[in-house]
Amino acid sequence: DTAVSQTPKYLVTQMGNDKSIKCEQNLGHDTMYWYKQDSKKFLKIMFSYNNKELIINETVPNRFSPKSPDKAHLNLHINSLELGDSAVYFCASSQDYPAGTATYNEQFFGPGTRLTVL
Amino acid sequence: SQQGEEDPQALSIQEGENATMNCSYKTSINNLQWYRQNSGRGLVHLILIRSNEREKHSGRLRVTLDTSKKSSSLLITASRAADTASYFCATDPLHDAGKSTFGDGTTLTVKP
Repeated sequence: DTAVSQTPKYLVTQMGNDKSIKCEQNLGHDTMYWYKQDSKKFLKIMFSYNNKELIINETVPNRFSPKSPDKAHLNLHINSLELGDSAVYFCASSQDYPAGTATYNEQFFGPGTRLTVL
Repeated sequence: SQQGEEDPQALSIQEGENATMNCSYKTSINNLQWYRQNSGRGLVHLILIRSNEREKHSGRLRVTLDTSKKSSSLLITASRAADTASYFCATDPLHDAGKSTFGDGTTLTVKP
């Protein structure tokens, strides 16, 4: 069974369009993330989200917004797509921080969505 | 700029040899993790080392952490062609929980 799944795997669209990428995890994790990996393989965290808090990387344009219908899903909505948005987007999940500790658990990544903006 | 920086950027070795990759970071951390990414795939967690640990082993992997130098190394012993992948370190900042930062990655090629 796939632990973290994303759809679609490939997404080709025109500049200016609005698109969404879906992510689902069946691990029962509390925290989910979105990452962007550019052509040079640099991996940048965009958002982390659990039922308590949304942490946003301040460098992410507000055209990007995460939407979580429930604990197992964190979808990424992108408005007014630009050429520079072309990249591979990865969803990930992890267990929440145990209360009172700074322990941080491993992240499980989805297979990625390759977005191409023409 | 990236919190973590790996070197070398690329490493090519023969099967059976050992591969060492290094990661340097800038701020204090809770822990450091190493991930592997096969071409066209998502990242897979390899090993986590906490800030109060100095060395950790997992199979053919050995990770060291020097918090005074803000650096870590990943050693893969007796490499195999299947180890060919990109390897990333990720740091969990001490005062910025939830904002783990990945390094630039080292691309390892193991020739059969």
